[in-house]
Amino acid sequence: GDSVTQMEGPVTLSEEAFLTINCTYTATGYPSLFWYVQYPGEGLQLLLKATKADDKGSNKGFEATYRKETTSFHLEKGSVQVSDSAVYFCALRTDGGSQGNLIFGKGTKLSVKP
Amino acid sequence: DTEVTQTPKHLVMGMTNKKSLKCEQHMGHRAMYWYKQKAKKPPELMFVYSYEKLSINESVPSRFSPECPNSSLLNLHLHALQPEDSALYLCASSPPAGQSSYNEQFFGPGTRLTVL
Repeated sequence: GDSVTQMEGPVTLSEEAFLTINCTYTATGYPSLFWYVQYPGEGLQLLLKATKADDKGSNKGFEATYRKETTSFHLEKGSVQVSDSAVYFCALRTDGGSQGNLIFGKGTKLSVKP
Repeated sequence: DTEVTQTPKHLVMGMTNKKSLKCEQHMGHRAMYWYKQKAKKPPELMFVYSYEKLSINESVPSRFSPECPNSSLLNLHLHALQPEDSALYLCASSPPAGQSSYNEQFFGPGTRLTVL
């Protein structure tokens, strides 16, 4: 079945460091790919998305490129801030209809130290 | 209105209590979802409603009973829960096919449930 594998944390970085969180997927068909972020005590927020191969999603300095040849959607940020400390979930959705559900990776906890 | 709201924010209940969680959106979305999230885990899908009809039930115990009274409102009725049901319960919604962002899910802030 469809699945998402992301690097397990926790990841601890100093402020202004470069961030990469790896995400690979297995899916039949052509999934849409997402990164969600969950700040402590809150629900999930969509960070960015890509719906087809070679699309690049970007938001708040974060980027991820949909790589069909390597089935990957790695999250990157050039300079992290303390406020980026959160749990990051990679997810896919293969059903183009509105009732398709998300398949999540296990999440990666990021801690950024001043 | 561009958000999904959930009430209450926190709920503590005994194993013999009956309570309900409420989720509301006014974005015209026609698919709504309940997820359960345990600590340090990803959300697990429980139920999906599409156009007010239950379309997916992921083998959830009958002590959880969903209800979708109209296109804006989703409830989760709780009865005779167990301590292991303590978790964050997240509601989400999606636009109908054909609208922009149709393949996205918009999440509410969640209800943190503790069963004693």
